[in-house]
Amino acid sequence: AQTVTQSQPEMSVQEAETVTLSCTYDTSESDYYLFWYKQPPSRQMILVIRQEAYKQQNATENRFSVNFQKAAKSFSLKISDSQLGDAAMYFCAYGVSGSARQLTFGSGTQLTVLP
Amino acid sequence: DVKVTQSSRYLVKRTGEKVFLECVQDMDHENMFWYRQDPGLGLRLIYFSYDVKMKEKGDIPEGYSVSREKKERFSLILESASTNQTSMYLCASRPLPDMNTEAFFGQGTRLTVV
Repeated sequence: AQTVTQSQPEMSVQEAETVTLSCTYDTSESDYYLFWYKQPPSRQMILVIRQEAYKQQNATENRFSVNFQKAAKSFSLKISDSQLGDAAMYFCAYGVSGSARQLTFGSGTQLTVLP
Repeated sequence: DVKVTQSSRYLVKRTGEKVFLECVQDMDHENMFWYRQDPGLGLRLIYFSYDVKMKEKGDIPEGYSVSREKKERFSLILESASTNQTSMYLCASRPLPDMNTEAFFGQGTRLTVV
């Protein structure tokens, strides 16, 4: 069974600083996707960034980037120039390509941004 | 914009009641999902559906059933609510069985069973 582990239940960062959220996963599949979702206090889940396992290049979306280490099964999220609006619960998620079954989620990391 | 709407944001029910959580999406998505979210456990898949009247169990289906009579609507049913089903419930939809497509979530229903 696939598992996703987020070992940091809570993190904090000073506004304008950089923070990295950790995620590891376990799978025997070769074709899969990894995601980071953000859940602010409004509870609306928002896709932050997506990474295809077959791509070596790390995905980037504005201030958000990932460090994807396939051999180590590690998928960390880096948030640069942190803003107050980045405060949220962040979930790492995994899914198998071509599968109708949805994502497997980690337990989440609560990020606080300090002014 | 894609919209996934859950019928209630907050719900309080009594033990033993039959509870219906409704989810509607407006983008003709084939796949729909029900998750349960608990602190420290993340999101856990209860059931999913890849077509009308088709459903499959997720990781924690016990105590739940689902119904999908129309493509846009996916209902989660708690046959006899219990206090351990107090939780946040999230519905999601996705257009294709392909992970390259984004999943869209509703705003969640916080259910309290007393």
